Amino acid sequence: GENVEQHPSTLSVQEGDSAVIKCTYSDSASNYFPWYKQELGKRPQLIIDIRSNVGEKKDQRIAVTLNKTAKHFSLHITETQPEDSAVYFCAGFGGGNKLTFGTGTQLKVEL
Amino acid sequence: IAGITQAPTSQILAAGRRMTLRCTQDMRHNAMYWYRQDLGLGLRLIHYSNTAGTTGKGEVPDGYSVSRANTDDFPLTLASAVPSQTSVYFCASSVQPGNTEAFFGQGTRLTVV
Repeated sequence: GENVEQHPSTLSVQEGDSAVIKCTYSDSASNYFPWYKQELGKRPQLIIDIRSNVGEKKDQRIAVTLNKTAKHFSLHITETQPEDSAVYFCAGFGGGNKLTFGTGTQLKVEL
Repeated sequence: IAGITQAPTSQILAAGRRMTLRCTQDMRHNAMYWYRQDLGLGLRLIHYSNTAGTTGKGEVPDGYSVSRANTDDFPLTLASAVPSQTSVYFCASSVQPGNTEAFFGQGTRLTVV
């Protein structure tokens, strides 16, 4: 099945700086890579996703890049703001269409 | 309001007791999932269902069972609860299995004592 590894586990940045979170996956057949944001005490919610037929996707201050050859994808947040502080999860789909998540990155944006 | 609903929102359960966590969605999604969330371990898949009438095992299925009698409901049962099953449980659903957005319920905080 799919194995998704995520780094770093914690990330602290100054407001206005950029943040990058990286994930690797094991199943070469995976073709959909979502990112979820979970604020404290709330449910995870999708913030951006990418499919294997594109290498990059942007939505305002967030972007995701995908390298299928190396089997890794990354989340980029520019001009970080305090409301970006949350836990971020990457995910992939493995055999049987199991939605498998990384272990999460706690992002803290400091004023 | 369309969405996915879990019940109860929290529960304290004595070890050895049987418990069913309920999950209902009204979006007519085919795929449904159950996860447990523990600090530092992220979201681990317990069981999933690609469509009504089918279920599959995830990463941590031991001690849990599920059923999918219809499209809307996907209950998770702990036959005999143990303290290691103390966790926050999330149910999720997606239109199709494999490559579409998953929508999460609000979670159930379960404490087994």
